[in-house]
Amino acid sequence: EPEVTQTPSHQVTQMGQEVILRCVPISNHLYFYWYRQILGQKVEFLVSFYNNEISEKSEIFDDQFSVERPDGSNFTLKIRSTKLEDSAMYFCASLQENTEAFFGQGTRLTVV
Amino acid sequence: GEDVEQSLFLSVREGDSSVINCTYTDSSSTYLYWYKQEPGAGLQLLTYIFSNMDMKQDQRLTVLLNKKDKHLSLRIADTQTGDSAIYFCAESMGDKIIFGKGTRLHILP
Repeated sequence: EPEVTQTPSHQVTQMGQEVILRCVPISNHLYFYWYRQILGQKVEFLVSFYNNEISEKSEIFDDQFSVERPDGSNFTLKIRSTKLEDSAMYFCASLQENTEAFFGQGTRLTVV
Repeated sequence: GEDVEQSLFLSVREGDSSVINCTYTDSSSTYLYWYKQEPGAGLQLLTYIFSNMDMKQDQRLTVLLNKKDKHLSLRIADTQTGDSAIYFCAESMGDKIIFGKGTRLHILP
């Protein structure tokens, strides 16, 4: 069964450092997403990406965040200068048009 | 506004049925989802329903959709200890999926 894969599963970084979270969506999918879940809280939408550009972003997705699809298979989330409050589980998702969304297993980001 | 509401906690005896309820806001949602999250794990898609359906059954899972009231429910028959998890209701809204806060299902022996 096709699946969305995310790497790494756990990333520890120092405050102020840049991190890149990686995702490989399902190959024929067209829409890509990043969500985050701070420990014990709800799953929050960050950004959606379609046709090589951001289609929607939340107020959480400020200038410190960026997304890229550098090579047609990977979909990355970059946090330029991490803050303690960026510590969360980050989920990538993808879907074709008018189908269900598939989520990856998540990357746990810990900022120390 | 965007809001998916669900109760935060449900306690059920093993072998009984669990019913997790959810209300959503966007009447134009195409898909409504139920995701399961076990401790420390990712989001597992349990089931989903198209907005033009009233009911969907998949083994022990039954999803009921009341579009008029914007109410979605997930029934788990014969609840097992392995069903202990957080269950997220979610709706598709435009280009994104909006999640509820999740219902923690606790199984009593």
